[in-house]
Amino acid sequence: ETGVTQSPTHLIKTRGQQVTLRCSSQSGHNTVSWYQQALGQGPQFIFQYYREEENGRGNFPPRFSGLQFPNYSSELNVNALELDDSALYLCASSLGAGPGNTIYFGEGSWLTVV
Amino acid sequence: KQEVTQIPAALSVPEGENLVLNCSFTDSAIYNLQWFRQDPGKGLTSLLLIQSSQREQTSGRLNASLDKSSGRSTLYIAASQPGDSATYLCAPLSYNTDKLIFGTGTRLQVFP
Repeated sequence: ETGVTQSPTHLIKTRGQQVTLRCSSQSGHNTVSWYQQALGQGPQFIFQYYREEENGRGNFPPRFSGLQFPNYSSELNVNALELDDSALYLCASSLGAGPGNTIYFGEGSWLTVV
Repeated sequence: KQEVTQIPAALSVPEGENLVLNCSFTDSAIYNLQWFRQDPGKGLTSLLLIQSSQREQTSGRLNASLDKSSGRSTLYIAASQPGDSATYLCAPLSYNTDKLIFGTGTRLQVFP
C-alpha cells in the first residue's frame, strides 16, 4: 500500500472521446508524475507537476494535459482519444521534485479505447 | 538520450535459487536508480533506491548494486520464493530531468 490512489481503475472509451483520470498523492507529497504503460512495455513519462505547476513533460502531444490542485491531487486529461492510447496510466508521487526522493506509484487506471 | 536495457527478458526458476537480474543504461549521469516490482495488472512497488554515490542497497533478501561509470545495476534475489514471481523494472533518474526512464523489465516466475 503506497498511499497513492487512482480512479477509475478500469474504463472503456470510444475513439475521439475525452477522458479524465484522477490521482490522490501520498499524504504530504507535493510532486505528482504521470506515466503511460503499454502492454509489455515499461512506463513512459508523460509529465510532472510540482506545487501546481507543470515541471517537465515527456514526448506526448498536447492533447495530453494535466492539473494539480492545492491539495496536491492531480488529473490527467486526454482529448481526441486514439486506439494507441489504450494503456495502463500510472500516477506517482514523491516528497519534492528533486533527486533522492523515493517515488511511489498507484495501482493505475486501465484505459481501453475502442 | 537515456536508454535502459534489462536482461534477461524472462526467467523461470525453481524455488530456492539465488537470482541475478541485470540492468544497463546508456547515460551514466544519473542521480539515482530505483528498482520496482510489478505484479500482473497492478502498479509499481518500489523495492530499492540507490543514490549515485552508493554502491549497493539491501532490503531483506534483495540486494541491488550500482556501477554508475559502466552504466550497470544488478538486483540479487536470494532464496527465491513463488511470491517473488512478478516483473522487475529498473529506472535511473538522469541529471537535468525529473523523469524516470524504464526498461521493459524482467518477467520472473518462481515455481514450487
